[in-house]
Amino acid sequence: KNQVEQSPQSLIILEGKNCTLQCNYTVSPFSNLRWYKQDTGRGPVSLTIMTFSENTKSNGRYTATLDADTKQSSLHITASQLSDSASYICVVSLNTGGFKTIFGAGTRLFVKA
Amino acid sequence: NAGVTQTPKFRVLKTGQSMTLLCAQDMNHEYMYWYRQDPGMGLRLIHYSVGEGTTAKGEVPDGYNVSRLKKQNFLLGLESAAPSQTSVYFCASTPAGGVLEQYFGPGTRLTVT
Repeated sequence: KNQVEQSPQSLIILEGKNCTLQCNYTVSPFSNLRWYKQDTGRGPVSLTIMTFSENTKSNGRYTATLDADTKQSSLHITASQLSDSASYICVVSLNTGGFKTIFGAGTRLFVKA
Repeated sequence: NAGVTQTPKFRVLKTGQSMTLLCAQDMNHEYMYWYRQDPGMGLRLIHYSVGEGTTAKGEVPDGYNVSRLKKQNFLLGLESAAPSQTSVYFCASTPAGGVLEQYFGPGTRLTVT
């Protein structure tokens, strides 16, 4: 069964600290993996997109990694800011020629001053 | 550019009532999508469209209908609302298929009593 599981469900960190969010998937055939940031009451916004051949992608203080062999991805946030408080969603697309995309349930990050 | 807009932002319906959610994008994107987001779950695809005049079913299409009469608009209809359709609905668009960024609207919060 195609699944995307994220951990932890929620996380609280102090401003300025780093954190890493995890995404494990059992999706096949794999096409690409995306990380989105979703602020409360808003739609998701794309952070990174990685294909099978890419194992790291950065976007400012956000760095995503992908290990296609173990089917794991992580999102590392450096020097967290209060504005990083949001849900982070991992999304995996299948290479089936259609629109099969599996969304994870997200990790809720709270950054405290 | 307004990007992807959705109307209304909030709506409360009684069981059996009907309504239409409107999604509009001003980026000249070919593909448009409707998702629903429920607590503790990832976004699920309801219907999508690969171009003006075309629509297709997604993962959870039952109870919904869609139309794409104009390239910039994608309408989601509920003919007879049920409490199980209480959710947050997101519209999204992409320029075309493949590994491209998906742009989301701000969402519509629908409650069916």
